[in-house]
Amino acid sequence: GQQVQQSPASLVLQEGENAELQCNFSSTATRLQWFYQHPGGRLVSLFYNPSGTKHTGRLTSTTVTNERRSSLHISSSQTTDSGTYFCAIDANNYAQGLTFGLGTRVSVFP
Amino acid sequence: EAAVTQSPRSKVAVTGGKVTLSCHQTNNHDYMYWYRQDTGHGLRLIHYSYVADSTEKGDIPDGYKASRPSQENFSLILELASLSQTAVYFCASSDKGAQNTLYFGAGTRLSVL
Repeated sequence: GQQVQQSPASLVLQEGENAELQCNFSSTATRLQWFYQHPGGRLVSLFYNPSGTKHTGRLTSTTVTNERRSSLHISSSQTTDSGTYFCAIDANNYAQGLTFGLGTRVSVFP
Repeated sequence: EAAVTQSPRSKVAVTGGKVTLSCHQTNNHDYMYWYRQDTGHGLRLIHYSYVADSTEKGDIPDGYKASRPSQENFSLILELASLSQTAVYFCASSDKGAQNTLYFGAGTRLSVL
């Protein structure tokens, strides 16, 4: 089945530092999303980005579909960026939802 | 913003008991999903549904049943709860469009003792 590998597993940053999170997947994905999970547990969608580059605020997602990889760049990190970031791709069955990676836990300290 | 509401938010159940987790969405989404998250792990798909009165098995359906009585409601049922089913459960919904963004509920923390 689909496999999604994220790296690093965890990351510690000092406020103001940049970070890059990686996502590699086992087969061509027609849907790729990045999610952020708050420390309290709520999941929110950051990007729907099956190909190309997208920006929102200090976050940039770049997906290179034929290389089966995506990255999430956090610039000028803030303590509020702390949490877990998940990459998820489709399962080749349009209805079947997404397959998630294990996530990257980010901790930003002042 | 899509609204997906889960209830209860937390529950303690006894081994062998029946547990029902409920999910309600108000956005006319066709697709609904149940995921489970274990500590230190990503989310794994249990059951999903793309139309009322029909459910499909996901990646880890054993020990779980699902019910979709209407477009808005999707339940996850543990007929005989076991210790291994202690986890956080997330419901999600999505539209039928090409950008099939998932919108998640706040999660239900289930502890089976």
